[in-house]
Amino acid sequence: GAGVSQTPSNKVTEKGKYVELRCDPISGHTALYWYRQSLGQGPEFLIYFQGTGAADDSGLPNDRFFAVRPEGSVSTLKIQRTERGDSAVYLCASNPGNADTEAFFGQGTRLTVV
Amino acid sequence: AQKITQTQPGMFVQEKEAVTLDCTYDTSDQSYGLFWYKQPSSGEMIFLIYQGSYDEQNATEGRYSLNFQKARKSANLVISASQLGDSAMYFCAMREPFGNEKLTFGTGTRLTIIP
Repeated sequence: GAGVSQTPSNKVTEKGKYVELRCDPISGHTALYWYRQSLGQGPEFLIYFQGTGAADDSGLPNDRFFAVRPEGSVSTLKIQRTERGDSAVYLCASNPGNADTEAFFGQGTRLTVV
Repeated sequence: AQKITQTQPGMFVQEKEAVTLDCTYDTSDQSYGLFWYKQPSSGEMIFLIYQGSYDEQNATEGRYSLNFQKARKSANLVISASQLGDSAMYFCAMREPFGNEKLTFGTGTRLTIIP
């Protein structure tokens, strides 16, 4: 499809385990964002990539969270030693890199830590 | 730091009526962008409308219009002739100036259209 694709759509993991969440942006989009949405809240910014580099990772809550985008396209959000408080919907968005264009969002990955 | 406030956690509106969803923002930047997104139960964030801080005209997109009052720092979304399919969460968001286009979101308003 032509939209932002996120896999898996749902992930259940045990406390303490490692998880990877994948985002496939729209082809040609240089900017990629990760957001986290807790129940009843708006999305909160985690990290922003421009090309391969993380231009802003100020939203990552702690060093258990890490994201990469090695070839400037697909991105992976990695969470180590998961905690129950990490349970949320993780949203990925991309845009062409132009300041006046909207971000296009994927449908998110619902992460549940039990 | 930027902040978005949406004071209406939930709204019920009769089908075919117009509805206004409130959004106020706080920023010290002169250049910024304001967005509205719709989030149906499927979870995807759907872009509705954009207003740049220097735009003199209120933005319109079909049945959506943005009532932008810069001095009051408000950017209310107006939906005309509401439809059952408009039932969803609606989020107001602000984008920082050039160099980092991350969005700051409000807490959202759940809109329910009554047949």
